[in-house]
Amino acid sequence: QQQVKQSPQSLIVQKGGISIINCAYENTAFDYFPWYQQFPGKGPALLIAIRPDVSEKKEGRFTISFNKSAKQFSLHIMDSQPGDSATYFCAARGSARQLTFGSGTQLTVLP
Amino acid sequence: NAGVTQTPKFRVLKTGQSMTLLCAQDMNHEYMYWYRQDPGMGLRLIHYSVGEGTTAKGEVPDGYNVSRLKKQNFLLGLESAAPSQTSVYFCASSPNLPGQGRHEQYFGPGTRLTVT
Repeated sequence: QQQVKQSPQSLIVQKGGISIINCAYENTAFDYFPWYQQFPGKGPALLIAIRPDVSEKKEGRFTISFNKSAKQFSLHIMDSQPGDSATYFCAARGSARQLTFGSGTQLTVLP
Repeated sequence: NAGVTQTPKFRVLKTGQSMTLLCAQDMNHEYMYWYRQDPGMGLRLIHYSVGEGTTAKGEVPDGYNVSRLKKQNFLLGLESAAPSQTSVYFCASSPNLPGQGRHEQYFGPGTRLTVT
């Protein structure tokens, strides 16, 4: 049973464009929502994260938008660059600080 | 600091063989985790530990065992490997920070396991 649903599975954008990845969750007990970035052959690395009492978090070109009532959150990458090409995972933290991950989005930014 | 390291990087097993994957971290983190990553399924938690000498089951624990005898090490064992356990295995660790603060899990580079 997938508790965090992520879409799209893959995304292709032009350099300079905006990349948007969406996630939805069911468990209202989740209390922390991170996004991880993974390059081929590497482990995931934390990119940005948000708490549910905040509607938006921005770090450089990366922004999380959070809609608590809809139980949805999204990652926006502004001015997308070829170096942003990677797989992105949303996640949600539950009990014992366990993370439940979405299925991942493979982003390709064309030069 | 090396961060989180995993041994081995690659392994091919035959059905029924056993093996142990080793995870080590040098950041003095309390929490450690084992995940498997399969195409289209993200990362799924196998087992985790909240401190030395403790272990607990995650989402997909069947067919795996773990041990945390030392704080810096977390071992994942496969007693009788099956083709369904072909996957990339990631270990992660995190500090025990109070409250709802930034809670980052630091991942190792992964072990690619193939069971034939």
